[in-house]
Amino acid sequence: SQTIHQWPATLVQPVGSPLSLECTVEGTSNPNLYWYRQAAGRGLQLLFYSVGIGQISSEVPQNLSASRPQDRQFILSSKKLLLSDSGFYLCAWSVRGRDRDSPLHFGNGTRLTVT
Amino acid sequence: QQQVKQSPQSLIVQKGGISIINCAYENTAFDYFPWYQQFPGKGPALLIAIRPDVSEKKEGRFTISFNKSAKQFSLHIMDSQPGDSATYFCAASIFSGGYNKLIFGAGTRLAVHP
Repeated sequence: SQTIHQWPATLVQPVGSPLSLECTVEGTSNPNLYWYRQAAGRGLQLLFYSVGIGQISSEVPQNLSASRPQDRQFILSSKKLLLSDSGFYLCAWSVRGRDRDSPLHFGNGTRLTVT
Repeated sequence: QQQVKQSPQSLIVQKGGISIINCAYENTAFDYFPWYQQFPGKGPALLIAIRPDVSEKKEGRFTISFNKSAKQFSLHIMDSQPGDSATYFCAASIFSGGYNKLIFGAGTRLAVHP
């Protein structure tokens, strides 16, 4: 069966420090990968998605970047964190291809607090 | 036009009661409408989903009602249980940029009291 791993679960970082959040998927090949941010009372906002190695699309211009160095690995990064980067970050995957019923499968998220 | 509006923001229901969460959308190109359930400290998990050519879908105590002409859909939880206490997100999907893009509602925090 497929599983998705995200780490760390919680992170407290000072303003101006770098960030690296990692996500890996097991049990599937060639997945679509996503990074979402969840703010209280505002639902889930898509930050980045990837349909293949090295292919990254950004939905929202911001202080963050994403990379996909391997098929089942997705990394969210920042060179200098801002207070506004605090939030709950979720990685997700779905089956690649034109399948409108393909659901998103989420990891358990990383709670990031920028101080 | 890409928004999905969800209400209420929070909901308190007694055990055994019916929980109803509503969502509305504008973009008629949306072609898949899933609901996700999220427990504290966890990622959302798919609960139930519907296509726009179906007016209702039922899975156990969970039912989606879909009104295509009104561009509205809702989740009904029958015989609500304390274990159903969670945040629920509706979403609408459109195929764009080589993937199914999901637009989420803002979420409803459901509390079922014993």
